[in-house]
Amino acid sequence: QLVLTQPPSASASLGASVKLTCTLSSGHSRYAITWHQQQPEKGPRYLMILNSDGSHSKGDGVTDRFSGSISGAERYLTISNLQAEDEAVYFCQTWDSAIRVFGGGTKLTVL
Amino acid sequence: QVQLQASGPGLVKPSGTLSLTCTVSGGPIVITNWWSWVRQPPGKGLEWIGEIYHSGGTNYNSSLKSRVTISVDKFRNQFSLELRSVTAADTAVYYCAREASTGDPGYWGQGTLVTVSS
Repeated sequence: QLVLTQPPSASASLGASVKLTCTLSSGHSRYAITWHQQQPEKGPRYLMILNSDGSHSKGDGVTDRFSGSISGAERYLTISNLQAEDEAVYFCQTWDSAIRVFGGGTKLTVL
Repeated sequence: QVQLQASGPGLVKPSGTLSLTCTVSGGPIVITNWWSWVRQPPGKGLEWIGEIYHSGGTNYNSSLKSRVTISVDKFRNQFSLELRSVTAADTAVYYCAREASTGDPGYWGQGTLVTVSS
């Protein structure tokens, strides 16, 4: 079964960097994912597609402070030089031939 | 820039049918991307409902498949969602989205709250 697992919460200080994790279920370690940001009281925003070779392609207007990387079944979103507006819930999503699934989301608190 | 706008009634009666339309502007719907509906119950995470390709091919979440139909109108650059036999558990913000593909980014619409209540 295709499942994405995300820690429910993370925190980091203003100006620091943070690495958020999204883990693919067993047998699905070569899947691509997408990352999305949802700021408080707003709809989701597409951030990037993160391919199984580690390459990524960002959405319109997404700052260079956001980057993606992979290690095995782990997919990462790194945010550098954290700003107050980065406080949000971050969702990952993946897909198979006929389904798409979301991770539960990680709520990032900027201290 | 591509924009998506979901529209439809904000209140649906229990056992009724939820109908929403997503209008795509700033780009054609006839491209190599899938077009999805996603919902978010109050205070909860995102749930994928289903998707459609411009040719009319569809995929649905197995948990909703018996109640959902997604259709596309290429000439109006729109796609639509129909969810039948709704209950209070279907109360959510409904989003339409363009799924990303290699070389093409994804986009989200602004979302529309649909409440199921008598």
